[in-house]
Amino acid sequence: AQSVAQPEDQVNVAEGNPLTVKCTYSVSGNPYLFWYVQYPNRGLQFLLKYITGDNLVKGSYGFEAEFNKSQTSFHLKKPSALVSDSALYFCAVSGGYNKLIFGAGTRLAVHP
Amino acid sequence: GAGVSQTPSNKVTEKGKYVELRCDPISGHTALYWYRQSLGQGPEFLIYFQGTGAADDSGLPNDRFFAVRPEGSVSTLKIQRTERGDSAVYLCASSLGGPAGEQYFGPGTRLTVT
Repeated sequence: AQSVAQPEDQVNVAEGNPLTVKCTYSVSGNPYLFWYVQYPNRGLQFLLKYITGDNLVKGSYGFEAEFNKSQTSFHLKKPSALVSDSALYFCAVSGGYNKLIFGAGTRLAVHP
Repeated sequence: GAGVSQTPSNKVTEKGKYVELRCDPISGHTALYWYRQSLGQGPEFLIYFQGTGAADDSGLPNDRFFAVRPEGSVSTLKIQRTERGDSAVYLCASSLGGPAGEQYFGPGTRLTVT
């Protein structure tokens, strides 16, 4: 069965510092991995995805994610956090099926 | 261009009533998905349409839930005999199809069953 784990309910980081939001997955076959962001009272917005190829994937708003097959991880990163990055972040996997399996989400709080 | 739209944005209904939630996908997107998001959780898959047909309805919790997409565009999620446990945000997404394609989500319908 496919599953996604986001081990941190909340991540706190100071503005200007690098941030990491963790995600691990379990899937049979090749994984298709996604990150989405959810702002208050707004829908989920696509950030980036890993399908194949380069393990470092670049996405919207300066975010990137690193795929690590041996550790079954797909951590979201940004070199310098902004206060406006504060939101709820979801990791998801499709694993060859069309439906997305989401993690429980991680709330990112960036402090000035 | 226009994104995925969902109506109504909020729906309050009494236990036992019937509700319909509507999703209007991005034009040209053949795949349409419904998810349900409870407070403090990630979205949970309900059903996936490819064109007019339901390709995967494995996430529908029981036979009170049903969805249609008769012309391959707009979809309606129907819930019969609503229960308080059905209260959640119902999200719709669309994509060009395929497991690697990113899904674009609407703002959701917040359903409250009293």
